[in-house]
Amino acid sequence: DQQVKQNSPSLSVQEGRISILNCDYTNSMFDYFLWYKKYPAEGPTFLISISSIKDKNEDGRFTVFLNKSAKHLSLHIVPSQPGDSAVYFCAASETLTSGTYKYIFGTGTRLKVLA
Amino acid sequence: GAGVSQSPSNKVTEKGKDVELRCDPISGHTALYWYRQSLGQGLEFLIYFQGNSAPDKSGLPSDRFSAERTGGSVSTLTIQRTQQEDSAVYLCASSLTRGGETQYFGPGTRLLVL
Repeated sequence: DQQVKQNSPSLSVQEGRISILNCDYTNSMFDYFLWYKKYPAEGPTFLISISSIKDKNEDGRFTVFLNKSAKHLSLHIVPSQPGDSAVYFCAASETLTSGTYKYIFGTGTRLKVLA
Repeated sequence: GAGVSQSPSNKVTEKGKDVELRCDPISGHTALYWYRQSLGQGLEFLIYFQGNSAPDKSGLPSDRFSAERTGGSVSTLTIQRTQQEDSAVYLCASSLTRGGETQYFGPGTRLLVL
């Protein structure tokens, strides 16, 4: 049962245009969402996050939108640059009654920005 | 170094052998996570250590998998009697506290079981 889904395995975008990466989740108890970027042969690196009390968070060229009613979040990159080419993972976490956290990751979307 | 380090970076082993994977988290980070990424899959949670608390082992796929964290720092993931389906990239991450904040990942260990 995939609680966090990234239905697009790959995406190609022209340099300078907007990249939109989507993520859907099923667990309404998730309260924190993150996006990670991963280059080949490297570990994922944190990109941007959003708490469930917000619907938008912006950091430079990166904006994450959260639609709780639709259980959907998206990452917008504008303008896209060739260096943004990587695999992007969304992740969700739930604060468990024990006070611990568990992160559930999606399967990733490979973004290719064409020069 | 300032980041999370993992060793070895690559490991090729024969089916049935035991392997040990090592993770050095960022100094001062109390939370440590192990994940596995199989081909075409997302990051699969394996185990989570938080300070001196009992680890959350709920993600370990079988009793062939175990992990320990000594002195609240270095962690070792052990896979006994490896199987071909254990082939994956094993990633370690650490975070400052157990809060739902940013995890910092190591580069991973690529395990291939022949």
